[in-house]
Amino acid sequence: DTAVSQTPKYLVTQMGNDKSIKCEQNLGHDTMYWYKQDSKKFLKIMFSYNNKELIINETVPNRFSPKSPDKAHLNLHINSLELGDSAVYFCASSQDGSRDTEAFFGQGTRLTVV
Amino acid sequence: GNSVTQMEGPVTLSEEAFLTINCTYTATGYPSLFWYVQYPGEGLQLLLKATKADDKGSNKGFEATYRKETTSFHLEKGSVQVSDSAVYFCALSGIVGALNFGKGTSLLVTP
Repeated sequence: DTAVSQTPKYLVTQMGNDKSIKCEQNLGHDTMYWYKQDSKKFLKIMFSYNNKELIINETVPNRFSPKSPDKAHLNLHINSLELGDSAVYFCASSQDGSRDTEAFFGQGTRLTVV
Repeated sequence: GNSVTQMEGPVTLSEEAFLTINCTYTATGYPSLFWYVQYPGEGLQLLLKATKADDKGSNKGFEATYRKETTSFHLEKGSVQVSDSAVYFCALSGIVGALNFGKGTSLLVTP
C-alpha cells in the first residue's frame, strides 16, 4: 500500500486550461503539504493543511487553490495554467506537523504546460 | 527568515570514495534538521534527522551532526556505492513542520 499517493503522475496540458492534482495519504496523519519542485530541482512549500484547515499559504498565485475534503486528502486545483507552472508537484504528509516529525512524500506529478 | 544553503553539484565520485556534502542554515529558534534523498523518478525519502544541537543522525552509513555553533549539518559517508547516486537535500523544519530545503546536490557514483 502506497503511503502517500498522488494522481496523475504526468499531466500535459495547454495554457489557459484548468487542472487538478489529487493526493491521498493512508497514514492517519493530521498534516498535509504541497511542494513545488522547479526545473533546477529546487523545492518550495506552497500550502500546508492541518486537520483540513489551511495553515500555510506561501506567496502562490490565486490561480492555485488547495482543497481538503477530509484529513486524508489534499487536492490542488490550478486555474488558467501558464507556462511557468510547469514543474513537479509533490504532496507530503506528517503525523502532527511538529518540527521533529518526518514528512512522507508522494511520487510527484510532473506538470507540463504547452 | 529560515534558509538552507548547501553545496551545489553535481558531485562525481568513484565507488568507495568518501563523501561530504556541506549544509549550513539560518533559522530563528531551534529547528530540526533533515537530509532527504531523491532517487531518479521518485519522491523524497528521509535519510536522517537531528532534532537538537550536537545530535547525530545516521542511516545506511550516512551521518550528519547538528552543529549549532557553526549552524551546519554536513552529510558524510565513508564509502559510497553506485546505488547512492541520487539528489540529496538538506532541510530544516519551520511552522507546522513545513520544510525549507536547500537547492539539492546531485551525486553520481561511478564503478
